[in-house]
Amino acid sequence: AQKVTQAQTEISVVEKEDVTLDCVYETRDTTYYLFWYKQPPSGELVFLIRRNSFDEQNEISGRYSWNFQKSTSSFNFTITASQVVDSAVYFCALRGNSGYALNFGKGTSLLVTP
Amino acid sequence: DAGVTQSPTHLIKTRGQQVTLRCSPKSGHDTVSWYQQALGQGPQFIFQYYEEEERQRGNFPDRFSGHQFPNYSSELNVNALLLGDSALYLCASSLPDMSYEQYFGPGTRLTVT
Repeated sequence: AQKVTQAQTEISVVEKEDVTLDCVYETRDTTYYLFWYKQPPSGELVFLIRRNSFDEQNEISGRYSWNFQKSTSSFNFTITASQVVDSAVYFCALRGNSGYALNFGKGTSLLVTP
Repeated sequence: DAGVTQSPTHLIKTRGQQVTLRCSPKSGHDTVSWYQQALGQGPQFIFQYYEEEERQRGNFPDRFSGHQFPNYSSELNVNALLLGDSALYLCASSLPDMSYEQYFGPGTRLTVT
């Protein structure tokens, strides 16, 4: 079974603050894939990143960075110098090599105020 | 490059009715998945279609069925609608290998009264 836990339900920050969204996962699969998606108020899920279980290298893309740690089963997402446009619900998702389904966490609602 | 498209955008149905939702995948994609997202929750996997066959199904009753056409587009059918079926229905497309990310459409908001 696959499980994703996003313990933070809502986070509110002031513009330009850094913010980290936590994601903890559970799987028995030896190979698996982790994802982050952004869902703005419009409702469409926007793909942000995919990470393979055999690649623990952290990644940075502009103001976004991801920290993948297999030892703690975590795949955290940091936004540096947050902006109002970052306000959205962010989902962490997991897919194991035993299936095709994406298993989503419940999401973290991020509100960035000016 | 056309992304995933879904129709209709919104739909209101009465309990007991049947509904059909439609999805066209992103250009170059041949695999389509459907998800149900209740308010305040993460999307839940309904099923995935590849080569016009359902190749994996989530924990949803048989009232939920689907179809994939030769042009890779897909339909989701829900029979005997219940109030609890009210949700955002998301279609996602991808390449067939499980390592690839899924790209989502804007969704269809279904309200059952």
